[in-house]
Amino acid sequence: DTGVSQNPRHKITKRGQNVTFRCDPISEHNRLYWYRQTLGQGPEFLTYFQNEAQLEKSRLLSDRFSAERPKGSFSTLEIQRTEQGDSAMYLCASSPSSGGIHNEQFFGPGTRLTVL
Amino acid sequence: DAKTTQPNSMESNEEEPVHLPCNHSTISGTDYIHWYRQLPSQGPEYVIHGLTSNVNNRMASLAIAEDRKSSTLILHRATLRDAAVYYCILRDGVQGAQKLVFGQGTRLTINP
Repeated sequence: DTGVSQNPRHKITKRGQNVTFRCDPISEHNRLYWYRQTLGQGPEFLTYFQNEAQLEKSRLLSDRFSAERPKGSFSTLEIQRTEQGDSAMYLCASSPSSGGIHNEQFFGPGTRLTVL
Repeated sequence: DAKTTQPNSMESNEEEPVHLPCNHSTISGTDYIHWYRQLPSQGPEYVIHGLTSNVNNRMASLAIAEDRKSSTLILHRATLRDAAVYYCILRDGVQGAQKLVFGQGTRLTINP
């Protein structure tokens, strides 16, 4: 049983560089979510896809952030011109669409980004 | 989404029951109560959810007050593996968004 996987697990970059993270959801799940979590805080929602359509974006997702899910399977989250405030754990989750809001979201282990 | 209030931290002993409280005084009639937990260095995982009646599953029980303004997650016999941050989340069953809105949760420490 393969769960949600995320790569890389850790990323260290210099301020101003671009970074891209990948999320592979559970194969039969058509909903995919990105969250960001800073130290000591709960995760914050960033964006949500149903299949390849991006249906909701948080105000946290500035124009430096872009997420894609081109074929409705894996997703990428890109941050351009990284800033030190972008340092956080980036979590991906997936869920099936049947069952509405009560479908549990299955989370990956996250990608920890450190911006120097 | 309606707001929840949880204690920042709680401590318990191994093999004892743990009662984790959550206040949600502004809960609406269509809000479901969901609990997730986050083990160290892992993403959150679903624990349980309910609307009005108490709920049980293999992980935990959820006791919901009659007026629904509070609920309690019950771990019947805590193990060291239950040490985690526990999040109580309200989700609107009618108009609810798909996203989860996490608060700061309760950090549970289990003593051996």
